[in-house]
Amino acid sequence: VQVAESGGGVVQPGGSLRLSCATSGFTFSIYAMHWARQAPGKGLEWVSVILYGDGGDKYYGDSVKGRFTISRDNSKNTVYLQMERLRPDDTAVYYCARGSGYDLDSWGQGTLVTVSS
Amino acid sequence: DIQMTQSPSSLSASVGDRVTITCRASQNIKSHLNWYQQQPGKAPKLLIYAASSLQGGVPSRFSGSGSGTTFTLTISRLQPEDFATYYCQQSHGTPLTFGGGTKVDIK
Repeated sequence: VQVAESGGGVVQPGGSLRLSCATSGFTFSIYAMHWARQAPGKGLEWVSVILYGDGGDKYYGDSVKGRFTISRDNSKNTVYLQMERLRPDDTAVYYCARGSGYDLDSWGQGTLVTVSS
Repeated sequence: DIQMTQSPSSLSASVGDRVTITCRASQNIKSHLNWYQQQPGKAPKLLIYAASSLQGGVPSRFSGSGSGTTFTLTISRLQPEDFATYYCQQSHGTPLTFGGGTKVDIK
């Protein structure tokens, strides 16, 4: 199982960014995919999940609801996180993880998002 | 939202010690509780799922127990590679929530 995030970087407050998570080594379409994040020196915070299939149900954490959108492309074995109206407190390492339902069983190494002017 | 509270927030232990970490949920989550290990600078790793099931490849010195609102992670004989931060996470429903973490360091 391989999970690899990309797309992190520095963005100004109010800006947008799209993260990608490329996967391999498993049947992508039958698994849920999650995003979680970790602010510098802080604990883990769950961000979002998209369930299996083409039109998988999507759920979000309270702090990102209405600003972030998760999606998946089963033909590319990739999950995305579109982040809008970014705030300084969104600064974190963003992890993508395969989900056996709500168990995050394989994690990527993360990509750093810094929201700063 | 379900709140997860871990204790202690940190502990110091020696190689060979038995270590126990507690996680409490703000409501009944049955056995929908996972434990993760995060070594410094690395991604988290799933250790225990469904409160007491060992994830594949995880050493048998790790064990989990509990149901309802109180759960424990036990490391029977601490090894050098076990010095890390441990997190619980409820998988009962969204939004998923993590405990604040327990850092295990060397005495």
